[in-house]
Amino acid sequence: DQQVKQNSPSLSVQEGRISILNCDYTNSMFDYFLWYKKYPAEGPTFLISISSIKDKNEDGRFTVFLNKSAKHLSLHIVPSQPGDSAVYFCAGGDMFSGGYNKLIFGAGTRLAVHP
Amino acid sequence: EAQVTQNPRYLITVTGKKLTVTCSQNMNHEYMSWYRQDPGLGLRQIYYSMNVEVTDKGDVPEGYKVSRKEKRNFPLILESPSPNQTSLYFCASSFGRYNEQFFGPGTRLTVL
Repeated sequence: DQQVKQNSPSLSVQEGRISILNCDYTNSMFDYFLWYKKYPAEGPTFLISISSIKDKNEDGRFTVFLNKSAKHLSLHIVPSQPGDSAVYFCAGGDMFSGGYNKLIFGAGTRLAVHP
Repeated sequence: EAQVTQNPRYLITVTGKKLTVTCSQNMNHEYMSWYRQDPGLGLRQIYYSMNVEVTDKGDVPEGYKVSRKEKRNFPLILESPSPNQTSLYFCASSFGRYNEQFFGPGTRLTVL
C-alpha cells in the first residue's frame, strides 16, 4: 500500500507558464512533507518542505500547498523554466519516527518544460 | 566541496557473488541512509544510521546489510545478490534529525 502517491507520471508545460505537481497521502501521522528534484544521472536534491501546521510555504518560484483534510499537497512552479525539467518526488514523514531521515517517497512525476 | 560519494557508479554482477557499495560523506553528518529507486515505486529506504554503530531497518531491508564503523562511511553489503536487487541505489546523509538529506549520485546495480 503506497502511503504517498503521485498519480501523474509525467507533465508537460510551456516555458513561462505555471507547473502544478500533485501528491496525495494516506498516512494521517505524517506531520511534514518534502519535495525533491532529480536530474538524470544525479541524486535527488532537496527543493522545499512544509510542516503540517502550515498550509503554504513559498521559496522563490516554488510554492507548496497543503490541504490536510484532503490529504493532498501540490507544488507550484511559477514561471516554469526549461531548467526545471526533472523528476519531482514528494515525500512524507513524521517527527516521532525519524524526523527528516525516515521518509516515504512517491513514485515521482517527470516534468518537461518546453520553449 | 561538500558531497556524498558512492562507488562504484555502475556494477554488473551475478547471482550469489557478494558485493559492497561504498558511501562516504565529507560534511560531518550524523545521519546516513541507503535507498533504492525502482520504476513506479519511487525511493524506498533500505537502512539508516543515526550515528556510529547505530543503525536501523528501513522499509526494505531484506537481503542487505550495513555497518557504520566511522562517521563518514556507510557501506551497503549484499551478501548473496539476487536479480530482484537489480536497482538504482542512493546513499544520503544529513546533519541531524530535522535536516534535509543530501544524496549521492547513485549506483546502478544489475544482478544477472
